[in-house]
Amino acid sequence: AQKITQTQPGMFVQEKEAVTLDCTYDTSDQSYGLFWYKQPSSGEMIFLIYQGSYDEQNATEGRYSLNFQKARKSANLVISASQLGDSAMYFCAMREGNFGNEKLTFGTGTRLTIIP
Amino acid sequence: GAVVSQHPSRVICKSGTSVKIECRSLDFQATTMFWYRQFPKQSLMLMATSNEGSKATYEQGVEKDKFLINHASLTLSTLTVTSAHPEDSSFYICSARDPGQGGPRGELFFGEGSRLTVL
Repeated sequence: AQKITQTQPGMFVQEKEAVTLDCTYDTSDQSYGLFWYKQPSSGEMIFLIYQGSYDEQNATEGRYSLNFQKARKSANLVISASQLGDSAMYFCAMREGNFGNEKLTFGTGTRLTIIP
Repeated sequence: GAVVSQHPSRVICKSGTSVKIECRSLDFQATTMFWYRQFPKQSLMLMATSNEGSKATYEQGVEKDKFLINHASLTLSTLTVTSAHPEDSSFYICSARDPGQGGPRGELFFGEGSRLTVL
């Protein structure tokens, strides 16, 4: 079974609108971490936001917020007021186990295109 | 923030030759680095965990003799693709965690990636 599932291979969103990128995960660990990374066409992986499994509040980083629904095992990324520079691939990733295990499992990604 | 640098960013080589890719942590020491491979329009797949001063740990299905990993210092890990073939053409990207940052978040920092094309 896939550990990280991103069901949206591509999305087109009008500039200035909010967008939600879906991510569901599968783990039997009680302690885990969820990440979102942005990958522009240049290839580098840019960290966006992190949610720990024990965090009670949804993570926020500027225009990025993570809608964490633990019982549903979902960790959707919400980008508010989208900008043209947001066009990129977005990957959801999970780190299982306790802190110190830095191996990440990535989803298949969502290609986001912002339309002017 | 912490910086991880890869070199070269692009390399084209002939089939049968070997190619070395370097991954450096520029402002921190990393006892562990990770090597990922990404095929076009696909996700990142972990290839191996590079451990300073000891052998790398390879993921299932990754050929150890094909992808040689050396982590000789706390700031440098190298990936050598031996006897490269066209099917080895891919985007290779490394990552490392700055032990001085992140706390429970344990944020990983990624290199810029290296695009290998084998003719």
